[in-house]
Amino acid sequence: GEDVEQSLFLSVREGDSSVINCTYTDSSSTYLYWYKQEPGAGLQLLTYIFSNMDMKQDQRLTVLLNKKDKHLSLRIADTQTGDSAIYFCALPLNTGNQFYFGTGTSLTVIP
Amino acid sequence: GAVVSQHPSWVICKSGTSVKIECRSLDFQATTMFWYRQFPKQSLMLMATSNEGSKATYEQGVEKDKFLINHASLTLSTLTVTSAHPEDSSFYICSVQGGADTQYFGPGTRLTVL
Repeated sequence: GEDVEQSLFLSVREGDSSVINCTYTDSSSTYLYWYKQEPGAGLQLLTYIFSNMDMKQDQRLTVLLNKKDKHLSLRIADTQTGDSAIYFCALPLNTGNQFYFGTGTSLTVIP
Repeated sequence: GAVVSQHPSWVICKSGTSVKIECRSLDFQATTMFWYRQFPKQSLMLMATSNEGSKATYEQGVEKDKFLINHASLTLSTLTVTSAHPEDSSFYICSVQGGADTQYFGPGTRLTVL
């Protein structure tokens, strides 16, 4: 199976950039996703990147993919207190029938 | 993307009772739906894959007789936690398979078993 690892915690000051990292073992996913989960809530799709891309920018979000190192990152520019949440990377199998979720990174934004 | 709802959003029940959780795909016909559970401060773990009109496929370690899944239509899958115990308390999230490598997630149902 797939092992998807993330750092558990990240704290940043409001206005700074946040970088959340994700490493994985199986590189067969066509798309790689980032989800946000606020306390007590479901998953919100933030962004995704196609596996043949190295970078994708979407407003304050930048996704970097290093397939050689099997490393995915999410950068949030100008981090705001509303960005405080848990962030999950998720990799589907080629069949699309199963998502492997990372362990989740809890982002705390300090005012 | 598809809009997915879950009902109820929060349920408290007594130990030994059964609880049914509904997952509805509001604007998308879903042949395949998925059920996940999430313990506090942990990641999502896939419980089962629910296929319309056929039996669900359960992940290793998930008791199929305890977690009954019914996917009788293209818009509704239900998860019934039978004879619930406090250790079944968790956040249950369903998702709908969209295109290749795409899933749309419901808002989750928080189950508390007293």
